[in-house]
Amino acid sequence: AQKVTQAQTEISVVEKEDVTLDCVYETRDTTYYLFWYKQPPSGELVFLIRRNSFDEQNEISGRYSWNFQKSTSSFNFTITASQVVDSAVYFCALSGNYGQNFVFGPGTRLSVLP
Amino acid sequence: ETGVTQSPTHLIKTRGQQVTLRCSSQSGHNTVSWYQQALGQGPQFIFQYYREEENGRGNFPPRFSGLQFPNYSSELNVNALELDDSALYLCASSWGLAGGPSYEQYFGPGTRLTVT
Repeated sequence: AQKVTQAQTEISVVEKEDVTLDCVYETRDTTYYLFWYKQPPSGELVFLIRRNSFDEQNEISGRYSWNFQKSTSSFNFTITASQVVDSAVYFCALSGNYGQNFVFGPGTRLSVLP
Repeated sequence: ETGVTQSPTHLIKTRGQQVTLRCSSQSGHNTVSWYQQALGQGPQFIFQYYREEENGRGNFPPRFSGLQFPNYSSELNVNALELDDSALYLCASSWGLAGGPSYEQYFGPGTRLTVT
């Protein structure tokens, strides 16, 4: 069975600090996909990134970066120089190769204080 | 390009009633997935429809059923509502090939269902 763990329930940082959100996953599939989604207070889930299991290169997109380590089954997300608008719940998710059975983690609530 | 839309926005039902939620997928997408998100939790996968056929189902009882129409819009039906069915119901659309890799999903704003 697939499982996603986000051990940090809530994190508070002061604006401009860097913050890392942890994600650990479990799967028996050899091909799988990992995702991060943002859910602001409005409630709509916003896609941030997709990574397949064969691509372990780290990715950077503006202030966001992702560190995928297959050896530790982790897919961590770092926000550099955080801003108040980054305040949201962030979900890590896992999917098999066929697209169904997306499994979401419980989410990490990030509060960025001015 | 039109995003994913859902209706209604909010709904209040009584235990034992039936409810139908609707979702219009993003233009060009052929796959729709439904999720239940209880307060303070992550979304739980209900099922997915690809080109009008169910293409995967999560751990939900048969009273949760769905349909996908030729224009790829979709309905989620829940019979015999229970208090625990109170949640935010999210619809997500994507483009994918059956048996192919999973593409990113684009979510609608959700329908907030309250069962009293």
